[in-house]
Amino acid sequence: KQEVTQIPAALSVPEGENLVLNCSFTDSAIYNLQWFRQDPGKGLTSLLLIQSSQREQTSGRLNASLDKSSGRSTLYIAASQPGDSATYLCAISGGGADGLTFGKGTHLIIQP
Amino acid sequence: ETGVTQSPTHLIKTRGQQVTLRCSSQSGHNTVSWYQQALGQGPQFIFQYYREEENGRGNFPPRFSGLQFPNYSSELNVNALELDDSALYLCASSFRGRSYEQYFGPGTRLTVT
Repeated sequence: KQEVTQIPAALSVPEGENLVLNCSFTDSAIYNLQWFRQDPGKGLTSLLLIQSSQREQTSGRLNASLDKSSGRSTLYIAASQPGDSATYLCAISGGGADGLTFGKGTHLIIQP
Repeated sequence: ETGVTQSPTHLIKTRGQQVTLRCSSQSGHNTVSWYQQALGQGPQFIFQYYREEENGRGNFPPRFSGLQFPNYSSELNVNALELDDSALYLCASSFRGRSYEQYFGPGTRLTVT
């Protein structure tokens, strides 16, 4: 059974800093990995999707990497802004009908 | 291309009652999944429908059931509501056969009293 862990659970940094969020998973037989953003009480916004054959994906100030052999992914946020404050969730797809397996998320606060 | 929508936004029910939540998938997507998110937790997979048939289920009892319709809409039904069913319910649509990237709706907040 796939298990996903996100570290740290919470993070507070001053505006402008670069930061890294971590995601680890127990089963390397994944189809893809998605990073999501969730604002309080809201749905999930997809940030980046990495297929199992890929090593990284970039979108604007965001860069996500994937190392299947070590069961790790990182989300790098450059030049953080107060608007980046949200909970960031990592989710694994096995490619079948078992849905996504999520971590508990990292609650990020960017101080102005 | 419209996104995923859900209704209602909020709902309050009494223990023992039944509830139906609705979702409209992104146009062209043939798969819909439902998730339950308790406060402070990541979403938990309830089940998935593909071409109007349930083809995958997480660790949820049979009182959680669903339907998927040809017009890209779907329902989540929960019978005999319990206090622990209070959560944010999210639906996600995707196209099976492509990247399996899932697109989420805004969710329905269910409170059971």
